[in-house]
Order: sequence, then structure tokens, then C-alpha cells
Amino acid sequence: NAGVMQNPRHLVRRRGQEARLRCSPMKGHSHVYWYRQLPEEGLKFMVYLQKENIIDESGMPKERFSAEFPKEGPSILRIQQVVRGDSAAYFCASSPLPTAEAFFGQGTRLTVV
Amino acid sequence: AQKVTQAQTEISVVEKEDVTLDCVYETRDTTYYLFWYKQPPSGELVFLIRRNSFDEQNEISGRYSWNFQKSTSSFNFTITASQVVDSAVYFCALSEARGSGNTGKLIFGQGTTLQVKP
Repeated sequence: NAGVMQNPRHLVRRRGQEARLRCSPMKGHSHVYWYRQLPEEGLKFMVYLQKENIIDESGMPKERFSAEFPKEGPSILRIQQVVRGDSAAYFCASSPLPTAEAFFGQGTRLTVV
Repeated sequence: AQKVTQAQTEISVVEKEDVTLDCVYETRDTTYYLFWYKQPPSGELVFLIRRNSFDEQNEISGRYSWNFQKSTSSFNFTITASQVVDSAVYFCALSEARGSGNTGKLIFGQGTTLQVKP
């Protein structure tokens, strides 16, 4: 049973470009969470999705950020028109239930130049 | 409001010393979960433990042990006989459980960087 798979591991984008981060949850897990870790900071919750539904997006910036978890395929975190302040590590986690332990992927390190 | 505080930003010990990482949390709920995660230099997040708020038994797993004290809202983590491979950032986290309203989202502390020197 493969773990949570995130790709790419590293992503470099120029200011104004779009960044797409992918997350394939563990087999049997239908709950996906995205977190952001800014340099020298802890992890902050961004969004919680179940298949085809956004359940809680209280941590998502209001503009330029969006997330989806389609019926088929990985969950996608999309950042439009990236700015330097978006440079961070983005982690995806999945769990079979909201109350179960969440397992994290290895993260995508986004650098905006 | 929910909050997790890890007051120790950095700890440095010499190998074989015991070390305790502190975690204090705030929540209004009576049912919640507490977690510890390890983030080694390679960057991934490794799950260590989950504790239900109704289970105050201390837990031991090899060199790791956890002390959960509801009276002081603390969930401390002790590494016995530390090793260089224990060097990492350790995060304490809180997840509230509100029945059908539970989202499972984690509130993380700022993390404690542990350096174990040979």
C-alpha cells in the first residue's frame, strides 16, 4: 500500500505563472487535507476535501488559490499568478475518516523566482 | 479558540541524554485528539502518535513516551537515550472531534527543533 504521493517534489515558478500541485491519497482514503509550511513556521491548514466536495476551505487565501478532488485522479492545489510570498512547502495528508490519523506526503516545495 | 503551544523553539542535547518536548493545548471541546509528528531534515512528516482525549494513559513505544495530562492541558513527549537520528523538528497537533461536524483538520504548534549531538 503506497503512501500519500505528492508531485512534483520541487517546483520553481516565475512570478505570475501558475503552480499545480498534485496529491494522490493512500488507497482507501477519501479525505484529503492540504497544509502550507512557510519558512521557519509551523504548518497551517488550508483546505479539506472529500471526493468531489470541498468540506472546509477556511484556511485558503481568498484569491488565486483553489483546490479540487475529482472523482477520478489526484487532488490538485492550484495557485494562479504566483508571488514570492507563495514560496513554501505544501503538504497533503489523507485519512480514511476525519477522526483517524492523517498520513502526510513528502510535500512539494514551491519556489517563486 | 483552538491553539497549540510548543514553547521550546530549539533544544540541543548530547547523545544518550533524555529529552522532553513540551506541548500545551487549548480547546473548548471535551472530545479531541492530540498528535505528534516528526519532520526529519529530509522534510517529510512522520506520524508518531494519536491520543484520544478520553484516554489519559501514558504511552511508551521503544525509546519514545508520551505523558498526557488533561488537568494541565499538556501532552509532552520524551525521548529516552537520544540518538543523532532523532534530530528533527517535532510538531504537536490538535484535532477537535465534534461528532458529525468533525473535519479532522489539525492545528499545529510551531514545532521544536531537536538537535542531538554525538
